[in-house]
Amino acid sequence: DQQVKQNSPSLSVQEGRISILNCDYTNSMFDYFLWYKKYPAEGPTFLISISSIKDKNEDGRFTVFLNKSAKHLSLHIVPSQPGDSAVYFCAASDNYGQNFVFGPGTRLSVLP
Amino acid sequence: DVKVTQSSRYLVKRTGEKVFLECVQDMDHENMFWYRQDPGLGLRLIYFSYDVKMKEKGDIPEGYSVSREKKERFSLILESASTNQTSMYLCASERQGSPRNQPQHFGDGTRLSIL
Repeated sequence: DQQVKQNSPSLSVQEGRISILNCDYTNSMFDYFLWYKKYPAEGPTFLISISSIKDKNEDGRFTVFLNKSAKHLSLHIVPSQPGDSAVYFCAASDNYGQNFVFGPGTRLSVLP
Repeated sequence: DVKVTQSSRYLVKRTGEKVFLECVQDMDHENMFWYRQDPGLGLRLIYFSYDVKMKEKGDIPEGYSVSREKKERFSLILESASTNQTSMYLCASERQGSPRNQPQHFGDGTRLSIL
């Protein structure tokens, strides 16, 4: 059973609009969450993270929201740019580092 | 800037061969990882290591082994390659910390095909 789920395999958004990528998790012991971006033929690169003591973290055009009660987080990209087209992975970790899990990824296409 | 280098970008091997995938990082990171990436499954952890000569099984260790003789180098070994091991293999490194909230740094991956 997947502990971290990204239920949308793909998403298309018009340039300049908002992209919202969603992630759900099942393990209540997770307390640190990260988003990675992956271009074809490259390794994933770290994008933004959030600790469970916060409900929002912002870095430029990227904002991550965490709803612990719903075990749900989302990544907002505003405004979306064609260079944002990539696969986005959500990842979750428990405080002890014993459990670190990636989601299956969502492919974002930003159309010019 | 952290650099994680995987020795091959593309590799083609035959069923039954012993295959070595090499990974080197230059930032003195304690933790190193091997993942495989398959469509719809995301990144699945094969093995990881918290220190030299230490190794821990991840979620899918069957058919694989690892070696960490030096801090900067982490090798993945396919003992007897099979076609279901055709995949993209990603190596990552991470500075040790508690809580474990340091981002991992990835290499560019090795696309391995087993014929």
